[in-house]
Amino acid sequence: GEDVEQSLFLSVREGDSSVINCTYTDSSSTYLYWYKQEPGAGLQLLTYIFSNMDMKQDQRLTVLLNKKDKHLSLRIADTQTGDSAIYFCAEKEGGGSQGNLIFGKGTKLSVKP
Amino acid sequence: KAGVTQTPRYLIKTRGQQVTLSCSPISGHRSVSWYQQTPGQGLQFLFEYFSETQRNKGNFPGRFSGRQFSNSRSEMNVSTLELGDSALYLCASSLVGQGALEQYFGPGTRLTVT
Repeated sequence: GEDVEQSLFLSVREGDSSVINCTYTDSSSTYLYWYKQEPGAGLQLLTYIFSNMDMKQDQRLTVLLNKKDKHLSLRIADTQTGDSAIYFCAEKEGGGSQGNLIFGKGTKLSVKP
Repeated sequence: KAGVTQTPRYLIKTRGQQVTLSCSPISGHRSVSWYQQTPGQGLQFLFEYFSETQRNKGNFPGRFSGRQFSNSRSEMNVSTLELGDSALYLCASSLVGQGALEQYFGPGTRLTVT
């Protein structure tokens, strides 16, 4: 079945860039997503990318997609302590309007002042 | 616009009991999905409801069930609770249509089974 893999931890210094990586197995995925979860909270949709795009930029966030290698990354520029959270990569299962998301286990980002 | 709300936020039950969780989607959203989040298994899809019909289901036993009302509010029920059902249960709502599935999540209900 479909699977999404992420590294579990990432530690960076405040002001540096963070890069969170993700690999997925379903080559038919049309959309790939990044969600953020802060302690005690639900998931916040950060951004998503359509599979025919290579890159999407949204303020401090840059998403890169390598469809050939099924590799997705999220770059956070000028990382702040408020960016400390768990980041989930997800792919949409199923086509059309129906479908659910398959999530990776999440990458815990720690930002040191 | 108000976000997705879930009640209750915290719940403690004992093995063998049953529990009902509630989710109110964002106004205008007709699709509601439920996920279970545990440290070991991560986020797993339970089921999705649209127009009061379950149209998608994950790989969970029949003890997990749900329903959706005409106002799009949804409930999920877990019967004969087991210790392993302790988890954060997240509800997500979305508009229906082709293209990106933008799911907006509620804060979750933390269920502890003792």
